[in-house]
Amino acid sequence: NAGVTQTPKFQVLKTGQSMTLQCAQDMNHEYMSWYRQDPGMGLRLIHYSVGAGITDQGEVPNGYNVSRSTTEDFPLRLLSAAPSQTSVYFCASSFPGALNTEAFFGQGTRLTVV
Amino acid sequence: AQKITQTQPGMFVQEKEAVTLDCTYDTSDQSYGLFWYKQPSSGEMIFLIYQGSYDEQNATEGRYSLNFQKARKSANLVISASQLGDSAMYFCAMSPIKAAGNKLTFGGGTRVLVKP
Repeated sequence: NAGVTQTPKFQVLKTGQSMTLQCAQDMNHEYMSWYRQDPGMGLRLIHYSVGAGITDQGEVPNGYNVSRSTTEDFPLRLLSAAPSQTSVYFCASSFPGALNTEAFFGQGTRLTVV
Repeated sequence: AQKITQTQPGMFVQEKEAVTLDCTYDTSDQSYGLFWYKQPSSGEMIFLIYQGSYDEQNATEGRYSLNFQKARKSANLVISASQLGDSAMYFCAMSPIKAAGNKLTFGGGTRVLVKP
């Protein structure tokens, strides 16, 4: 199984450009989420989804959009990139209902905005 | 709202010794889950152990154990018999039980360096 796949792994953007970070999972998980990790810090929740068609904001949603048209995919869109969005982005998925429910993380996307 | 505090920015531990990583939390949820993740220098997030707030027994997974003290709102990770490969960042995290691993709130992390 591929698990959670994020593309691209690295990206450099110019200020003001837009782009979409892709996230796909093949575990049929209903729950998916996006986090950002700034240097030397823990992960912070950007947006999350509890199923296709359902998304909600996390702790740091400004400047990002998400949609969830399928169970498998949860893309993150940067509307107008800013240097403050330079970070490592992680996508995660989990299966509701299990007692010992870990989140499975992708490998991360390292984004630099210049 | 949930908050996780990890007060130890970095620690050295001798190989084969045990190490305890501190984690305290705050939440208004009645039921919640507590997680520990390992992040090696390669950057991936590796799940280590889970404790539900309703669990009366402390969780264990191999060399990892979670010292859960609900009244104190602490969920410390104990790594026994440290190995060189344990050198990494360690993050404590929590989510509401219904979120099932979704909507995680993370602490700032503790960097562990295992010395031979």
